[in-house]
Amino acid sequence: DAKTTQPNSMESNEEEPVHLPCNHSTISGTDYIHWYRQLPSQGPEYVIHGLTSNVNNRMASLAIAEDRKSSTLILHRATLRDAAVYYCISSLAPFGAGTTVTVRA
Amino acid sequence: DGGITQSPKYLFRKEGQNVTLSCEQNLNHDAMYWYRQDPGQGLRLIYYSQIVNDFQKGDIAEGYSVSREKKESFPLTVTSAQKNPTAFYLCASSEGQGPGDTQYFGPGTRLTVL
Repeated sequence: DAKTTQPNSMESNEEEPVHLPCNHSTISGTDYIHWYRQLPSQGPEYVIHGLTSNVNNRMASLAIAEDRKSSTLILHRATLRDAAVYYCISSLAPFGAGTTVTVRA
Repeated sequence: DGGITQSPKYLFRKEGQNVTLSCEQNLNHDAMYWYRQDPGQGLRLIYYSQIVNDFQKGDIAEGYSVSREKKESFPLTVTSAQKNPTAFYLCASSEGQGPGDTQYFGPGTRLTVL
């Protein structure tokens, strides 16, 4: 299982886009990239996942590099409710510490 | 509503006592998981089960035990052998264990051992 690397924290202003990077340089050809987010004292919730192509859903967009060694989760207009810890994992690889996103009003 | 329930939300126990955390899902998922989370840390896998009556140890199984007698239920027992049991425990399920399968998490149980 490929390990992922994410920045510890990121800050954003409300209603601005947030781009969260994730490196997964040892990912295999069949590993999906999953993103989850966790609010304080809650269980993680699914955000988005993809294999090779860019993906969009109501919560976010996922841009996957052509070589699949990295990806970026894009929150198009951050709201205060988007403040959370965001985890990028490759298929069933371990969850790391994730990226703590702070949104300023 | 389909989902995963964990009970109770908060649990207090005296040191040396075994305690069982409940996890139930009505998503008809085959795979279920237990994770432990310590403050400011990521999730660490304790046990997982791909099918009824079968389960495997995760990265930190020592001091824990599980059972999977029914598809919808995967209780976790924290035994007195677990040296530092105070933590936030999360249960999850997924349709299968394929690389594209998404995990769905319960709300968690916060265990405090006094």
